[in-house]
Amino acid sequence: QLQLQQWGAGLLKPSETLSLTCAVYGGSFSGYYWSWIRQPPGKGLEWIGEINHSGSTNYNPSLKSRVTISIHTSKNQFSLKLSSVTAADTAVYYCARGQRGSYVYYYYYYMDVWGKGTTVTVSS
Amino acid sequence: SSELTQDPAVSVALGQTVRITCQGDSLRGYYASWYQQKPGQAPVLVIYGENNRPSGIPDRFSGSSSGNTASLTITGAQAEDEADYYCNSRDSSGNHLRAVFGGGTQLTVL
Repeated sequence: QLQLQQWGAGLLKPSETLSLTCAVYGGSFSGYYWSWIRQPPGKGLEWIGEINHSGSTNYNPSLKSRVTISIHTSKNQFSLKLSSVTAADTAVYYCARGQRGSYVYYYYYYMDVWGKGTTVTVSS
Repeated sequence: SSELTQDPAVSVALGQTVRITCQGDSLRGYYASWYQQKPGQAPVLVIYGENNRPSGIPDRFSGSSSGNTASLTITGAQAEDEADYYCNSRDSSGNHLRAVFGGGTQLTVL
């Protein structure tokens, strides 16, 4: 049973860099898209970005200038860095495994395994 | 457009059927995936692909799609189905580089 375990600093000051890591246990690292998603208090889900086992990344354009997602295949881990944080970056951050593909006429995409979430608060 | 639109709130009587919808241009080429989120918990995938349920998801959950609209149907809603539900797809423009979520639907079981 694949599990994702995530960790990182939970309290940051404005202008600092958020850093989170997600470890993958019990499954293959290749063939998937490893994603980060966040959820501000009382709000909906926001996709931050993803990386595949080859290190190819896609980012949400609204965060792209501040986000770096990296992969550490030897450790089965991937990481998120978000620079210059402000109070607007206060959220629960989740890591997840994504799968993409296509049928005859349709594409599909879903995230089937999620970490438990890390609460990150930005406050001076 | 890459946006996905959901009704903010829906209610259903215990044991009745409810449909939660998600609209967006990307759904003309992508199947939506659906996630259930209960307070203080991580989202859980309930429907993916044409109409597939992960192991452990009750068969009262089903999905469908028509044009630019995807639907999640709960047939015989139970008290434990009360939760927020999010649809998800990818932006079908620009080489499908971005994933997007709907704003979420809060389901109340009366």
